[in-house]
Formats: sequence, C-alpha cells, structure tokens
Amino acid sequence: GQNIDQPTEMTATEGAIVQINCTYQTSGFNGLFWYQQHAGEAPTFLSYNVLDGLEEKGRFSSFLSRSKGYSYLLLKELQMKDSASYLCAVARLGSRGGNKLTFGTGTQLKVEL
Amino acid sequence: EPEVTQTPSHQVTQMGQEVILRCVPISNHLYFYWYRQILGQKVEFLVSFYNNEISEKSEIFDDQFSVERPDGSNFTLKIRSTKLEDSAMYFCARRQGLTGELFFGEGSRLTVL
Repeated sequence: GQNIDQPTEMTATEGAIVQINCTYQTSGFNGLFWYQQHAGEAPTFLSYNVLDGLEEKGRFSSFLSRSKGYSYLLLKELQMKDSASYLCAVARLGSRGGNKLTFGTGTQLKVEL
Repeated sequence: EPEVTQTPSHQVTQMGQEVILRCVPISNHLYFYWYRQILGQKVEFLVSFYNNEISEKSEIFDDQFSVERPDGSNFTLKIRSTKLEDSAMYFCARRQGLTGELFFGEGSRLTVL
C-alpha cells in the first residue's frame, strides 16, 4: 500500500516563505505531485517531481528525495490568496498505463497579515 | 485546454435512490478517473478508465458503483442504491500533460439524506 504524511495545518505571514513537508512510502513510484485546493473547490495542479532535486515554478518550488521518501513544497512571497489546503499526491503507474494518484490528507495553510 | 465539465453541481437524494453523475471531458483523451472527497477528508481514488474500459478500481468501488462512457463523450458514475456515507464531492479527472498530472473537474456534490 501507500502511506503519505503531511502536517495538518500551518500558519505563515504575508510576504514570508513557508515550506510544507511530505513523507511517503510506496511501491512503483512514478512521481510526486502537489496540488492546491481552496475550500469547496477542485484540486488544481501546482508541481511535479519524478527525479531528485528542486523544480521551480514562479513563487512555488518543489523538492524530491526518492531515497528518503521525502518532498517539500516551498511557497515564497506569500499572499493572502495562498490560504488553502496543499495536497501531496504520490503516483503509481496503473496496470494499463496512466497514473494512479494517492493523496495525503492535505496541509491547511493560513496566511495572516 | 477546455475544462472538464461535471453535472450536476449539487444533488440531494434520498437513501436507497440511484444517482448518476456526469462528466464531459475532451473526447480524444483516453484516461479518465473518478475521485471522491468526503467533507473534511482526503481525496480518494475510486476508479480509472482507459480506452472505454475500467483500468483499475479501489476497494471503495464496490458493486454499488459503475462507470460508463455510453456515447464516447459523456463519462458517467452511477451509484445504484445510495447510502448516507456516499455523501461527498465527486471529482472527474482526466490525464493531461507529459507528466501525467490529473486535471480535475469542478466536482459534483452529493448529499444523501
């Protein structure tokens, strides 16, 4: 099976930097995804890592260490609109191709003034 | 790219009734998924659908559930006899991009009374 752990909630200040960690245990690893989900809305894709290292995308960066089963999402220059749940999802290749994503419980980020 | 459209946005039904949730993705995509999210809980995989056949299904996806793509375009999730615990947001998703990330529809909120 798969096990994904991330903190339940975090609080940060507008303009600051926040790092959201995710640890996982899985077989058949085929990448790690980060999604953002605002209350009552669908998850939206933020980033993807399949090889070790850092992927940067504007204010968002994501890091992966496959040997440690560890990833983090880094959000810079926080804005109030970044208040949302951040979902770590591990992909496993499906039996007929395509990815099957297993999601963590999400980290609720609150950005304060 | 065009969005994934889901209908209805919200459905209220009595326990034991049949419910059909619909998803209209792009017709030339091969991989589709249904996920659900019970309020306050994580996004859970239900079933994946490849080339008009079920590719993989979770333990949640029991005999009460079925998926079809009756006309090559609409993608439906049917719950034959709803239970209180089926109350959730149901998301249709399609695979997109070279990385295989999932693009989620806006969701259908099902409330079983």
